[in-house]
Amino acid sequence: AQKVTQAQTEISVVEKEDVTLDCVYETRDTTYYLFWYKQPPSGELVFLIRRNSFDEQNEISGRYSWNFQKSTSSFNFTITASQVVDSAVYFCALGTGTASKLTFGTGTRLQVTL
Amino acid sequence: EAQVTQNPRYLITVTGKKLTVTCSQNMNHEYMSWYRQDPGLGLRQIYYSMNVEVTDKGDVPEGYKVSRKEKRNFPLILESPSPNQTSLYFCASSPMAGGGGSYEQYFGPGTRLTVT
Repeated sequence: AQKVTQAQTEISVVEKEDVTLDCVYETRDTTYYLFWYKQPPSGELVFLIRRNSFDEQNEISGRYSWNFQKSTSSFNFTITASQVVDSAVYFCALGTGTASKLTFGTGTRLQVTL
Repeated sequence: EAQVTQNPRYLITVTGKKLTVTCSQNMNHEYMSWYRQDPGLGLRQIYYSMNVEVTDKGDVPEGYKVSRKEKRNFPLILESPSPNQTSLYFCASSPMAGGGGSYEQYFGPGTRLTVT
């Protein structure tokens, strides 16, 4: 069975602070894929990143960065110099080649204030 | 513009009144899926389809039906809605037939359903 745990239910930061959203996953498959989605207050789900299990290189995209560590089964997401527009619910998700779906975590609500 | 569309976006209905939520994608994707989002539970898959006329149950299929008669459309049918089906529903598509777990899914804007 697959499982994704996002232990942080809500995080509040002040603009310009760095913030890390944690994601821990469980799967018995050796080939799997990890995703992050953003859900802003408007409600849509926005794809942020996809990473396969064979690529442990960290990735940076502007103020966003992702740290994938197979040893700890974690795929954490860091926002550097947060902005009010980063306020959203962020979902981590896990998929495998044999699965027919993405397994989502329960989400972390990020509130960035001035 | 490549997109997944859902209609209606908001719906309030009463227990037992059959309803259909439509989903359409214009990206020629093989795979389509329905999820429901509930507070504290994240998104859970209801049904999915790997191609025309091929559908299967997800994690929470009870009370729902789907059909895939055309590649672009994947309607969600609630034959006799109940209050526990009040939720936010998302349709999603992915380019590969087996892509449910392997590729990013493109989500529609969501349908907020309230059953009283």
